[in-house]
Amino acid sequence: KQEVTQIPAALSVPEGENLVLNCSFTDSAIYNLQWFRQDPGKGLTSLLLIQSSQREQTSGRLNASLDKSSGRSTLYIAASQPGDSATYLCAGPGGSNYKLTFGKGTLLTVNP
Amino acid sequence: NAGVTQTPKFRVLKTGQSMTLLCAQDMNHEYMYWYRQDPGMGLRLIHYSVGEGTTAKGEVPDGYNVSRLKKQNFLLGLESAAPSQTSVYFCASSRGVSYAEAFFGQGTRLTVV
Repeated sequence: KQEVTQIPAALSVPEGENLVLNCSFTDSAIYNLQWFRQDPGKGLTSLLLIQSSQREQTSGRLNASLDKSSGRSTLYIAASQPGDSATYLCAGPGGSNYKLTFGKGTLLTVNP
Repeated sequence: NAGVTQTPKFRVLKTGQSMTLLCAQDMNHEYMYWYRQDPGMGLRLIHYSVGEGTTAKGEVPDGYNVSRLKKQNFLLGLESAAPSQTSVYFCASSRGVSYAEAFFGQGTRLTVV
């Protein structure tokens, strides 16, 4: 059974800081790893999808990496802005099932 | 470009009432999912479907039923609502599981009183 853990649960940083969010998973037979953003009271917005054959994906100030051997993914946010404040979730399907398993998220606050 | 649309967005039910949540996607995706999100519990999978006419149980299926009669629609039913089903419900879809990105609807906030 795939289990996904996100550390830290909450993070507060000053504007302009570079930061890393962590995601770990138990089933290394993961097909892909997806990072989402969720604003309060809203749905999930897909940020980046990393295939199992890839090691990194980049979109603007965001960079996500995937290391299947260690069961880890990181989301790097460069030059953080107050508008980046949200909950960030990682999720991935793995093994012999079709279920997309989520971590509980990291609540990010970027202070002006 | 609608993506994944959930209906309704908000609903208040009395205990014992029934209702159906509708999820519609216009991306011709095979896979569809229903999740509930509760504080401290994260997103938990209720039911999912890997194609038209198929359904399967997720982590927390009790008290819910689903149907996928058309590829673009995935319905979630509550036959006899309970206060424990107060939650935010999200629908998602993807082209497949292996290499495909999942897309989510905006959610349905359900309160059972």
